[in-house]
Amino acid sequence: ELKVEQNPLFLSMQEGKNYTIYCNYSTTSDRLYWYRQDPGKSLESLFVLLSNGAVKQEGRLMASLDTKARLSTLHITAAVHDLSATYFCAVEAPGTYKYIFGTGTRLKVLA
Amino acid sequence: KAGVTQTPRYLIKTRGQQVTLSCSPISGHRSVSWYQQTPGQGLQFLFEYFSETQRNKGNFPGRFSGRQFSNSRSEMNVSTLELGDSALYLCASSLKGAEETQYFGPGTRLLVL
Repeated sequence: ELKVEQNPLFLSMQEGKNYTIYCNYSTTSDRLYWYRQDPGKSLESLFVLLSNGAVKQEGRLMASLDTKARLSTLHITAAVHDLSATYFCAVEAPGTYKYIFGTGTRLKVLA
Repeated sequence: KAGVTQTPRYLIKTRGQQVTLSCSPISGHRSVSWYQQTPGQGLQFLFEYFSETQRNKGNFPGRFSGRQFSNSRSEMNVSTLELGDSALYLCASSLKGAEETQYFGPGTRLLVL
């Protein structure tokens, strides 16, 4: 069965610092999704990575996908408090219409 | 374009009761998925519907069921509620349900006492 693992689970970082969240998955898939969830809120789509080597950037967030390694990264550059949230990656089990989510990484950016 | 809507937003029930949650997808979206989110288990897939057909179901007991109507609106039902069913239930919609971004509703927070 498809498994999706994220690390770290919790991340506390100072404003202005850089850090990377990792997402590993266990089956062949060419697509990976990143979502953000603010406390008490729903999930908001951040990125869709559609192929091996794909890189997407939005503001201080950059996501990449290595399908051979079954690994995606979400890199945070010069973190600001507004980035504090929980970040999820998700992979579709091919042909199943079922999306499996990672455990989530709770990010707290300290002023 | 209006987003995904879910009703009710909050619900308190007691053990043994049943509950029905509703989800209206984005206009034109025909796939609706349901997820249960808890602090301990994270986001878990419940089921997915497309054109009134359930195409996949997660590892949940038969007490959890759902359906989709011809207008793509979906409902999920939980019978004989247990304390462990307390969770945030999220609905997500997409055009066809495969290889595309899902758009999530605000969720229904269910508390079982």
